[in-house]
Amino acid sequence: EPEVTQTPSHQVTQMGQEVILRCVPISNHLYFYWYRQILGQKVEFLVSFYNNEISEKSEIFDDQFSVERPDGSNFTLKIRSTKLEDSAMYFCASRAVADTQYFGPGTRLTVL
Amino acid sequence: GENVEQHPSTLSVQEGDSAVIKCTYSDSASNYFPWYKQELGKRPQLIIDIRSNVGEKKDQRIAVTLNKTAKHFSLHITETQPEDSAVYFCAATLWGNEKLTFGTGTRLTIIP
Repeated sequence: EPEVTQTPSHQVTQMGQEVILRCVPISNHLYFYWYRQILGQKVEFLVSFYNNEISEKSEIFDDQFSVERPDGSNFTLKIRSTKLEDSAMYFCASRAVADTQYFGPGTRLTVL
Repeated sequence: GENVEQHPSTLSVQEGDSAVIKCTYSDSASNYFPWYKQELGKRPQLIIDIRSNVGEKKDQRIAVTLNKTAKHFSLHITETQPEDSAVYFCAATLWGNEKLTFGTGTRLTIIP
């Protein structure tokens, strides 16, 4: 069964550094999402992406965040200048038309 | 926007007993309610979902009920087993909308 994949599984970075989290959605899916989960808390929506543009974003998704689909398979989340409070698990999700969202295994981001 | 409340935050049941987790939502336009199971360090996995045109859906030992008038929905797990131990999240959205709004999660522990 196809699954969403994410790399790396764990990313450690220094405060102020840029990070790029990578996702490979399920191949026939057209809608892509990023969520984050701070340790012990609920999953929070960050952004959705369809047809090469952002379709919705939350208040968490400020100017420090950006998303991109650089080719036909990858979907990336970039944080330009990381802050301590960006430490969290970041989940990518994708879905087909008229289907539910399927989540990747997550990238644990640790900002020191 | 949508707000989802989930109770209880922790739940311990004896193996073989039933477990019930309850969620309420605020946006009457929401019509799709998935439940996710998340084991420690793993991705959220969809276990069952319900749309608002039905009041109940069952899949083996798992069932979900929806009361659209009262804006609440519940997850029922019968004949619980140790492998049911996990954190369970409810979510709500308008089908075709971009984001899932999650509840705060219930840590279910099955006592052998």
